[in-house]
Amino acid sequence: GDSVTQMEGPVTLSEEAFLTINCTYTATGYPSLFWYVQYPGEGLQLLLKATKADDKGSNKGFEATYRKETTSFHLEKGSVQVSDSAVYFCALGSPNNAGNMLTFGGGTRLMVKP
Amino acid sequence: KAGVTQTPRYLIKTRGQQVTLSCSPISGHRSVSWYQQTPGQGLQFLFEYFSETQRNKGNFPGRFSGRQFSNSRSEMNVSTLELGDSALYLCASSRDGPSGANVLTFGAGSRLTVL
Repeated sequence: GDSVTQMEGPVTLSEEAFLTINCTYTATGYPSLFWYVQYPGEGLQLLLKATKADDKGSNKGFEATYRKETTSFHLEKGSVQVSDSAVYFCALGSPNNAGNMLTFGGGTRLMVKP
Repeated sequence: KAGVTQTPRYLIKTRGQQVTLSCSPISGHRSVSWYQQTPGQGLQFLFEYFSETQRNKGNFPGRFSGRQFSNSRSEMNVSTLELGDSALYLCASSRDGPSGANVLTFGAGSRLTVL
């Protein structure tokens, strides 16, 4: 079945450091890919998405490129801030015509120190 | 515009009891999904409802059930609670466009503790 593997955390960085969170997936077909973020005590918020190979999703300085050849969707940010401290989830969408289901990775906790 | 509203936010039950959680989706969203989040198992899909019909179901026992009303509001029910049902239950709503590419908007969750 479909699955998502994320690098385990926590990832601890200093402010203004470069961030990479690795995400690889196994899926039939070509699902849409998403990154969601969860701040303490809150639900998940969409960070960015890509719907087809070579698409780049971007938002708030975060970027991820849908790489079909390596089945990856790594999240990057050039300069992290303390406010980016949260748990990040990579997810893949359901196959076409199968409704709205997400398969999530295990999440990666990011801690940014001033 | 109002987001996804889940009630109650926190609740404590004892083993063997049952619980009902409620979710009001964003206006205009007809798809409502439920997820269970635990430290050990992460985020797991429970079920999805669209137009009052269950469209997809995850791999959970029959003690977990749900329904959707004509106004798209949804409820999920867990009967005969077990300690392992302690979790954050997240509801998400979505417009229904090209399947699989829809963005899910999540509520803040209902945190259930089973004693």
